[in-house]
Amino acid sequence: RKEVEQDPGPFNVPEGATVAFNCTYSNSASQSFFWYRQDCRKEPKLLMSVYSSGNEDGRFTAQLNRASQYISLLIRDSKLSDSATYLCVVNWAYSGYALNFGKGTSLLVTP
Amino acid sequence: GAVVSQHPSRVICKSGTSVKIECRSLDFQATTMFWYRQFPKQSLMLMATSNEGSKATYEQGVEKDKFLINHASLTLSTLTVTSAHPEDSSFYICSAPLTTSTETQYFGPGTRLLVL
Repeated sequence: RKEVEQDPGPFNVPEGATVAFNCTYSNSASQSFFWYRQDCRKEPKLLMSVYSSGNEDGRFTAQLNRASQYISLLIRDSKLSDSATYLCVVNWAYSGYALNFGKGTSLLVTP
Repeated sequence: GAVVSQHPSRVICKSGTSVKIECRSLDFQATTMFWYRQFPKQSLMLMATSNEGSKATYEQGVEKDKFLINHASLTLSTLTVTSAHPEDSSFYICSAPLTTSTETQYFGPGTRLLVL
């Protein structure tokens, strides 16, 4: 059973569209939650942390549902530069600072 | 902000040779560093945790004698892929957390290894 699952996509959306990504995790002892962005052949970069109360950073909104072990990312007003792979990342309480990555969801924003 | 460097960024080698990859924290000390591997269209998978002053901790299924890790100082960890084979071809990425927070974790730019 995969520990962090995401729909791989790809999601092809026009500029200006709103797009949502979902993620589920299997370990109920998970402690910290993140969305990372990875561009082709590059290292992942932190997009935002995800808190139980939900949090927003500009056009990006993240939600966490601990009871359902579900995380989401909403991107509003998509830009061409948002095209990337979005990685759902979870930290287990017993793994120190090591991170567990989903396979990622590919987003392509088109003109 | 803090930066983690990796060297080399890309390496091509013949099967059977050993390859050393360096991971450096440039403006902070890292008692712990992590080594991940990413195959095409796959997620980053944790290989091992590198600990300064002690042995590395390897994840299940990762051969410690094949992937040698040395955390030589508070700013340097090395991963040596010994007797590399084509199936070891992958993208290797290190990361180093600021010890006070998982949220502040810095990734190196990665090393792309191709074994012929």
